[in-house]
This record gives sequence, structure tokens and C-alpha cells, in this order.
Amino acid sequence: SQTIHQWPATLVQPVGSPLSLECTVEGTSNPNLYWYRQAAGRGLQLLFYSVGIGQISSEVPQNLSASRPQDRQFILSSKKLLLSDSGFYLCAWSPRTGVSEQYFGPGTRLTVT
Amino acid sequence: GEDVEQSLFLSVREGDSSVINCTYTDSSSTYLYWYKQEPGAGLQLLTYIFSNMDMKQDQRLTVLLNKKDKHLSLRIADTQTGDSAIYFCAVDPGYSSASKIIFGSGTRLSIRP
Repeated sequence: SQTIHQWPATLVQPVGSPLSLECTVEGTSNPNLYWYRQAAGRGLQLLFYSVGIGQISSEVPQNLSASRPQDRQFILSSKKLLLSDSGFYLCAWSPRTGVSEQYFGPGTRLTVT
Repeated sequence: GEDVEQSLFLSVREGDSSVINCTYTDSSSTYLYWYKQEPGAGLQLLTYIFSNMDMKQDQRLTVLLNKKDKHLSLRIADTQTGDSAIYFCAVDPGYSSASKIIFGSGTRLSIRP
């Protein structure tokens, strides 16, 4: 069966510090991968998605970047965090073909102080 | 582009049925999903319905789709305290090559004793 992992689970970082969040998927190949941000337990904002290694599409201009160095690894980064980067970050994957359902990881709670 | 709307809150008495509603704008939508998010957790896929179906039942869950009115609903029978969560409606607009799906802002379901 497929599983998706995210780490760390929680993170408290000062303004101006760098960020690296990691997401890995097991049990599937060639998945589509997604990064979302959720503010205050409400709606989801799609940040980035990837259909293959090294292929990243950005949905909104922002202080963050994403990379996909391996087929089942997706990394969210920032060089200098802003207060507005605080939130709950969710990684998800979907099969490359067939039904478009997405499966979510447990999330990372980021607090920028 | 696709727009997905949900009411923000719903309160029901334990043991009653809960009905969570969702409307969407794009008539070419293919798959429509319901997700559940418990506090501090990622989203869990509950069920989905294909656009050529009117209804789908899975144990206590019933999904109804009215394509003419672009209206989707999730009925939870015999609502229990464990059903307290945020419920997200999501729609595949059918035109994304990366299986991007559009999420509503979520309905927070609370259960009264």
C-alpha cells in the first residue's frame, strides 16, 4: 500500500531563517506531487505541483520554492522566512493516470516568530 | 476557472443526519470528492463520485450529485462525536493534466449532545 510521510511534524523558526520541509511517498511510482498551505485550519492554497523529477509548477508568487530531486521526494524551501509563511503545510500525491484523487500526508505545522 | 463553494459551519445533534452541501461552477467536472480533516491532521479521502452518477452510498455516507444544478452533497447518517471535523468538497475540472483538483473552503461540522 502507499504511504506518504512529512517531516518535521512541527517547526518553530525565526523570521529570516531558512526552511526545508520534506515529503516522501512510498509504494507508488511516478506520482504527481503537490504542496498546499492551510491558514488557520481553513481552506487549502495550492503552492506547487510536480509531474516528474525536476518539473515544478508554481501556482502563486511567494517567498517559497519547491524541488523534486527524486521521483518520490518533494521538498519545500525558503531562503528567508517571513511571518506570513506561518501555517500548516500539506503534501499530497496522486496517481499519474486514472482517477485524480489526492492522498495527503500528516502535515507540518510551521510557526515563524 | 472552477469555483467550489461550501457553507462554513454546520451543527447537528448526535444521532441525527448531517447534510453538507457544495456547489461548483464548471459543468465539465469529472470526479467530485469529499475529504475529512480532523484537528491537526492531514486530509482523509472519504469518498468520490464520477460525474455520470447521481448517487453513491458507502455505509453511513451518501453522496448525491445534481449535475444540472452543479450541486453536491454529503449525508452522514447517525452522526457521532467522531464525525466532528472539517469536510472539504473538491472537484476535478477535467482540464488539468496534473490532476489538480479544486477544493472548497471546508465546512466545520460540530456535534451537539
